[in-house]
Amino acid sequence: DQQVKQNSPSLSVQEGRISILNCDYTNSMFDYFLWYKKYPAEGPTFLISISSIKDKNEDGRFTVFLNKSAKHLSLHIVPSQPGDSAVYFCAASAFTGGTSYGKLTFGQGTILTVHP
Amino acid sequence: GAGVSQSPSNKVTEKGKDVELRCDPISGHTALYWYRQSLGQGLEFLIYFQGNSAPDKSGLPSDRFSAERTGGSVSTLTIQRTQQEDSAVYLCASSRPSKRQGFNYGYTFGSGTRLTVV
Repeated sequence: DQQVKQNSPSLSVQEGRISILNCDYTNSMFDYFLWYKKYPAEGPTFLISISSIKDKNEDGRFTVFLNKSAKHLSLHIVPSQPGDSAVYFCAASAFTGGTSYGKLTFGQGTILTVHP
Repeated sequence: GAGVSQSPSNKVTEKGKDVELRCDPISGHTALYWYRQSLGQGLEFLIYFQGNSAPDKSGLPSDRFSAERTGGSVSTLTIQRTQQEDSAVYLCASSRPSKRQGFNYGYTFGSGTRLTVV
């Protein structure tokens, strides 16, 4: 049961344009969402996150949008740069109580290629 | 150390052999996670350690897989009688304790161990 889905395996964008990466989830208990970026031969690195109490979070060129009713989130990168070329994973977490993190459930990833 | 360290970075083993993968988390991170990424797949959760609590083993794919975390620090993932479908990149991550409202940094991942079973 794939609770977090990234339906686009790949995306190709011209430098300077907007990149939009999409993610859907099915578990209504998820209340925190994150995006990670992964370069080859490296571990994923945290990019940006959003709590379910918000519908938008912005950090420089990166903005994450959350539509809870549609169980959908997206990552916008504007303007896209060749260095943004990587695999992007969305992830979701459900509050498990206490003062600890619960496990993250990841999507399959989207390969973003930004052409100069 | 400054980051999460995993060893070995690459491991080639024969089918049926046992392997051990090691993870050194960031000092002070009480939570430790193992994930794996098979070719063309997303990150699959395997196991989660949080402090002195019983680990969440719900993601281990079979009883050939086990993991331990000694002294609340270093963790070892053991795969017995390896099969070709075990070939994947095994990723370890750690995170620091935080109240739920402060959950905004996610995990710090290591670079992974690429396991190839031939």
